[in-house]
Amino acid sequence: GAVVSQHPSWVICKSGTSVKIECRSLDFQATTMFWYRQFPKQSLMLMATSNEGSKATYEQGVEKDKFLINHASLTLSTLTVTSAHPEDSSFYICSARHNRGPYNEQFFGPGTRLTVL
Amino acid sequence: GQNIDQPTEMTATEGAIVQINCTYQTSGFNGLFWYQQHAGEAPTFLSYNVLDGLEEKGRFSSFLSRSKGYSYLLLKELQMKDSASYLCAVRVGKAAGNKLTFGGGTRVLVKP
Repeated sequence: GAVVSQHPSWVICKSGTSVKIECRSLDFQATTMFWYRQFPKQSLMLMATSNEGSKATYEQGVEKDKFLINHASLTLSTLTVTSAHPEDSSFYICSARHNRGPYNEQFFGPGTRLTVL
Repeated sequence: GQNIDQPTEMTATEGAIVQINCTYQTSGFNGLFWYQQHAGEAPTFLSYNVLDGLEEKGRFSSFLSRSKGYSYLLLKELQMKDSASYLCAVRVGKAAGNKLTFGGGTRVLVKP
């Protein structure tokens, strides 16, 4: 089946540092990946759509200079949280759309828990 | 914009049936998904509806009425491992990027 991995699974960093999260589609190519964040006991909020070879499309209210997205290949998208602050602490989940899947559905990575001290 | 509503929490007994409702108001509807999410884990795909009617997959069934903007997920023969959050997500059309918008999720607690 379609597998999506994320690395790291968790990270703790100091305020002011930058953190990079990788999202990989392991057994399929994904021209489109999505980045979500999820606060405790809340649902997934779409942050941006990552398109291979072009600029990401950010949702309203998401700072593009704060959350840098790079989709350099058909199997890898990265999210960099720049100058992280405690309010950026959250669960970040990526997904990759499988264009050959029966429903064109998104497959989700296992998530990355970011804690900013 | 998109607006998706589902109950916050439901409790049911092992072996019973639970129905989770989802209502939505959206433009460019291009399918509705149900995902299961255990705490601290990624959502996993359960079902997909794009046409009106019922889709059955083992113990799980999902129903869609596009005219009413309504879907439900039916979980039968509940097991303890079914305790999780269930997320209703609507996909908008290609022109809008084929994005998914998620409802708030319904936490289902299965009791012995």
